[in-house]
Amino acid sequence: GAVVSQHPSWVICKSGTSVKIECRSLDFQATTMFWYRQFPKQSLMLMATSNEGSKATYEQGVEKDKFLINHASLTLSTLTVTSAHPEDSSFYICSAYGTDNNEKLFFGSGTQLSVL
Amino acid sequence: DAKTTQPPSMDCAEGRAANLPCNHSTISGNEYVYWYRQIHSQGPQYIIHGLKNNETNEMASLIITEDRKSSTLILPHATLRDTAVYYCIVRGAGSYQLTFGKGTKLSVIP
Repeated sequence: GAVVSQHPSWVICKSGTSVKIECRSLDFQATTMFWYRQFPKQSLMLMATSNEGSKATYEQGVEKDKFLINHASLTLSTLTVTSAHPEDSSFYICSAYGTDNNEKLFFGSGTQLSVL
Repeated sequence: DAKTTQPPSMDCAEGRAANLPCNHSTISGNEYVYWYRQIHSQGPQYIIHGLKNNETNEMASLIITEDRKSSTLILPHATLRDTAVYYCIVRGAGSYQLTFGKGTKLSVIP
């Protein structure tokens, strides 16, 4: 199946700093990418949807100025958690859709963010 | 997108078939049924999806009832590595975002 690469796998940062997470589609062009967040023992919650070359659409309750999303190319989307605080500690996961994927959506391996 | 209902947990003996049910009684005619699984601390893994017909691939089979109000994911010979949370998701044809419920925690027992 298609491969979605997410980097880094885990990151520890100090409160107040910013963290960037990358999501790449390795063997297909991702016209749309999605960012999810998952807290311990809970299900995935959609944060935002990004289409290549346009502004991301955020779900209700997700601060767009705190979670900056860039989808500048068909193979790369980035999520930047700005001025991170301990409550932002979570598992962040991206998924990608491409028109050649026969209706399949693939997920990255996730990034565990711990804010101290 | 239609809501899905799954049992919170199931056990299956290693080597036996695991049959995971999903209810989606409000599904519309153009909505797909997807199955993903998530092993602890990893991203969801695509298993299979279908619209109306039953589907089979190297991982599993998907049986969709004729009225499309429910479906069953079948893992033919469960192994310990199949222990995971399995999500049944209904997706509309015009949208590619997935709404995850709580899923079924499948435990494969030696």
